[in-house]
Amino acid sequence: AQKVTQAQTEISVVEKEDVTLDCVYETRDTTYYLFWYKQPPSGELVFLIRRNSFDEQNEISGRYSWNFQKSTSSFNFTITASQVVDSAVYFCALIPAYGQNFVFGPGTRLSVLP
Amino acid sequence: ETGVTQTPRHLVMGMTNKKSLKCEQHLGHNAMYWYKQSAKKPLELMFVYSLEERVENNSVPSRFSPECPNSSHLFLHLHTLQPEDSALYLCASSQDERVYTGELFFGEGSRLTVL
Repeated sequence: AQKVTQAQTEISVVEKEDVTLDCVYETRDTTYYLFWYKQPPSGELVFLIRRNSFDEQNEISGRYSWNFQKSTSSFNFTITASQVVDSAVYFCALIPAYGQNFVFGPGTRLSVLP
Repeated sequence: ETGVTQTPRHLVMGMTNKKSLKCEQHLGHNAMYWYKQSAKKPLELMFVYSLEERVENNSVPSRFSPECPNSSHLFLHLHTLQPEDSALYLCASSQDERVYTGELFFGEGSRLTVL
């Protein structure tokens, strides 16, 4: 069975601070994909990144960066110099290769205060 | 037009009503999904349609009835719901019926309140 844990329910930071959202997953599959989605107040989930289990390279995209560590089953997400527009609920998700069911974590609500 | 459009955005219904949620995707995708998002619960997959055929049904109560008339449209028919069915219902689509090959594109959701 798969499971995704996001231990941080809510985080508040002041604008321009860096913030890291934690994601820990469990799976018995050797091939799987990890995702991060952002859910702004409007409701739709917006895709941020996909990473397969064989690619442990960290990735940076603008102010966003991701740290995938297979040894600790973690896929953490860092926002550098946070902005008010980053306020949203962020979901980490896992899907095994050849599966069709994403397993979502409970989400972390990030509030960036001006 | 946005990629995935859901209507209505808000719906209030009594337990004896019959209503439907509609989802339309303009992305040319082959798979469509219904997810349920309740307070304090992870997103729950309800139904998956791939090339208009239902391929997954996660033991959803029969008071929820999906319909996928073509690859662009997905409905969720609701009847005799319970107050605990109040939630945000999200529709999503993916390009390939093999979900793992790509990301999901979500609509903004239909906020359902059952009185």
